[in-house]
Amino acid sequence: QQNVQQSPESLIVPEGARTSLNCTFSDSASQYFWWYRQHSGKAPKALMSIFSNGEKEEGRFTIHLNKASLHFSLHIRDSQPSDSALYLCAVRDGMGYKLTFGTGTSLLVDP
Amino acid sequence: NAGVIQTPRHKVTGKGQEATLWCEPISGHSAVFWYRQTIVQGLEFLTYFRNQAPIDDSGMPKERFSAQMPNQSHSTLKIQSTQPQDSAVYLCASSLDRQGVSNERLFFGHGTKLSVL
Repeated sequence: QQNVQQSPESLIVPEGARTSLNCTFSDSASQYFWWYRQHSGKAPKALMSIFSNGEKEEGRFTIHLNKASLHFSLHIRDSQPSDSALYLCAVRDGMGYKLTFGTGTSLLVDP
Repeated sequence: NAGVIQTPRHKVTGKGQEATLWCEPISGHSAVFWYRQTIVQGLEFLTYFRNQAPIDDSGMPKERFSAQMPNQSHSTLKIQSTQPQDSAVYLCASSLDRQGVSNERLFFGHGTKLSVL
């Protein structure tokens, strides 16, 4: 049974700061690692994913993955008030279809 | 493209009543998922359909929850004898299911907020 944990639970950062969000998982056979973002009252929306160890950058967002440590993270450069949302990490298992989500990190970017 | 459509947006039921939630996936998406979201538990997987066939219902409370996908354009989640602990946001998601692609992104609807009094 996959167990996905996120830290911190909540975070307040000033506008322009670099933000780091963490996610750990329990199943070493996990294959794909996602970050989703959910603005208040809205649907969760996929941000980006990674498959291989290392990092992947898309604009202001970077994912780091370390499979041996069962850990991946999301880094936001130059955080904006519009980045304020619930960030959900998710792990896709070896079966290839099921995404298991963490409980989320609530981010507030203070202008 | 209207995205994944869920109805109703809000539903209030009395304890013991039945609730039926509807989902219209994105046209052309053959994978449909149901999740339940609460503050405490986060997003919990309930069930998954592929090409309308039920594939995995391991997250469904067995006794009172059921899900169907009678055609490619809609799926329903039915909760019988609703209990206060069923109060949550029920999210439907769909994705493509392309040959050779094993990491499709999920597109979520806005959810149905179920309140059981």
